Amino acid sequence: EPEVTQTPSHQVTQMGQEVILRCVPISNHLYFYWYRQILGQKVEFLVSFYNNEISEKSEIFDDQFSVERPDGSNFTLKIRSTKLEDSAMYFCASSASEPGQYFGPGTRLTVT
Amino acid sequence: GDSVTQMEGPVTLSEEAFLTINCTYTATGYPSLFWYVQYPGEGLQLLLKATKADDKGSNKGFEATYRKETTSFHLEKGSVQVSDSAVYFCALSDEVGAGSYQLTFGKGTKLSVIP
Repeated sequence: EPEVTQTPSHQVTQMGQEVILRCVPISNHLYFYWYRQILGQKVEFLVSFYNNEISEKSEIFDDQFSVERPDGSNFTLKIRSTKLEDSAMYFCASSASEPGQYFGPGTRLTVT
Repeated sequence: GDSVTQMEGPVTLSEEAFLTINCTYTATGYPSLFWYVQYPGEGLQLLLKATKADDKGSNKGFEATYRKETTSFHLEKGSVQVSDSAVYFCALSDEVGAGSYQLTFGKGTKLSVIP
């Protein structure tokens, strides 16, 4: 069964450093998403991406964040200058045209 | 804005007990409704979904019915197993662009099933 994959599974970085989280969505899906889950809190929407552009973004997704689909398979989330409060589990998801998103296993980002 | 409220956990049940996890929502549009499950150390898995009123989503013995009149989507299972121990998230999705849907999640309910 096809699945969304994410790398790395755990990333530790120092405050102020740039990080890139990588995702490979399900191959025939057209819509891509990033969510995050701070420990013990809700899963929160960050951004949706379709046809090589952002469809929607939340207020969390400020200028420090960017997304890119650099080739036909990868979908990346970049945080330009990490802060302590960016520490969270980041989930990538993808979907076909109908509702219902399929999530990757997540990347745990720890900012020290 | 849209929101999802689900019963606070943790919920502890004995094996073969009946499970209900309540979920209600508020939405401006006509959302689709979902239950996701997160097993320990893993990501979110889509458990079941319903896209219109009175639809029943079902999977692995779990089921939930989209009740528009009560804005609810309660998750039920007749006989839980130890392997059902996980965190369960209720969610709704609204279309934010053509074919692009944003999920809004509840806080999650942790279920522990003891032998």
